[in-house]
Amino acid sequence: DAKTTQPTSMDCAEGRAANLPCNHSTISGNEYVYWYRQIHSQGPQYIIHGLKNNETNEMASLIITEDRKSSTLILPHATLRDTAVYYCIVRPQGGSEKLVFGKGMKLTVNP
Amino acid sequence: DADVTQTPRNRITKTGKRIMLECSQTKGHDRMYWYRQDPGLGLRLIYYSFDVKDINKGEISDGYSVSRQAQAKFSLSLESAIPNQTALYFCATEAGDWNNEQFFGPGTRLTVL
Repeated sequence: DAKTTQPTSMDCAEGRAANLPCNHSTISGNEYVYWYRQIHSQGPQYIIHGLKNNETNEMASLIITEDRKSSTLILPHATLRDTAVYYCIVRPQGGSEKLVFGKGMKLTVNP
Repeated sequence: DADVTQTPRNRITKTGKRIMLECSQTKGHDRMYWYRQDPGLGLRLIYYSFDVKDINKGEISDGYSVSRQAQAKFSLSLESAIPNQTALYFCATEAGDWNNEQFFGPGTRLTVL
């Protein structure tokens, strides 16, 4: 079973920041938080991952709470092309275990 | 050219037929995975391989088999296809170093009549 919970869906206006929440209250100390997204029926695409510090790359920012029980993926300026299903996944350090995808959250960016 | 390719991209077959889905990668990754996705659901792991000599069952391996012919190639077979194997199938690769991302192929849409 997936170790994370996400809302089923969320809407966002184009050009605004999209803040996607994820709850992982049972996360272990050696588990990283990963975010992937799947646009329509394409193969999932890696976005970002982090352990406990906030992370930023060219696609998004990841904010992890101090207790690590939840995180937020931020798309700073959402575009229509960001409409997708977003998956929040936890995985142990070292990557010895496979990714476990839940149902994810559908983000719809509206014009 | 794409780093992870899957063939065929679409396939329609009949119940009882043997089907092979192929995955090739040019990323030089050791780890390869096969996932299945049903409509409205997330991806579920069928089989995975951490190197050429390593094959592991995932959560839904029944009715499937795999072959890791080389580092770059990982094939998924349905020995006797059944209609509930109709799904979208994805192959993925991973470097195997610490906390690397997985790279996914474009998917194969399989329909079993």
